[in-house]
Amino acid sequence: KNQVEQSPQSLIILEGKNCTLQCNYTVSPFSNLRWYKQDTGRGPVSLTIMTFSENTKSNGRYTATLDADTKQSSLHITASQLSDSASYICVVRGSGTASKLTFGTGTRLQVTL
Amino acid sequence: DTGVSQDPRHKITKRGQNVTFRCDPISEHNRLYWYRQTLGQGPEFLTYFQNEAQLEKSRLLSDRFSAERPKGSFSTLEIQRTEQGDSAMYLCASSEGTGASQPQHFGDGTRLSIL
Repeated sequence: KNQVEQSPQSLIILEGKNCTLQCNYTVSPFSNLRWYKQDTGRGPVSLTIMTFSENTKSNGRYTATLDADTKQSSLHITASQLSDSASYICVVRGSGTASKLTFGTGTRLQVTL
Repeated sequence: DTGVSQDPRHKITKRGQNVTFRCDPISEHNRLYWYRQTLGQGPEFLTYFQNEAQLEKSRLLSDRFSAERPKGSFSTLEIQRTEQGDSAMYLCASSEGTGASQPQHFGDGTRLSIL
């Protein structure tokens, strides 16, 4: 069964600190991996999309890494801001299935003063 | 580009009633998706359209659920004879083209509460 597991489930950090969120997946065959940010009561917003051949991709203070051999990804947030408080969802798309994305349950990040 | 728009944002109804949600995708996006999200969970795929054709439906989409995209632009999702378990956020997303790496752009969802 295709699954995406994220850790930690929730995280509290001080403003200005860095943090790393983890994603492990079993989706196969693999096409790409996406990280989304979802604010409370809003729809998810795409941060990065990485294909098999990409090891790292940055979007501002967000840097995602992918190890397709171990089926692991991480999202690193640098110099966190209060506005980073949100759920971060890891999503994996398999190949050969045009529509299906497998979503993780997300990591709930809270940035405090 | 005004993004994906969903209407209404909130819907409260009694069990057994029918409800209909609307989604307006980003213009010229030919793919449109419906998802359901419950509290603390990631979105679950319900169905998707390429233009006006409904190409795939999840097993989650029971006979009480129906989706349409009659002219390949906006889409509606109808739930008949609503049940308590239908309470969730219903998200719509759209994407451009057919490439595997096209990002899906999500609306802010319709939150359905069944009394």
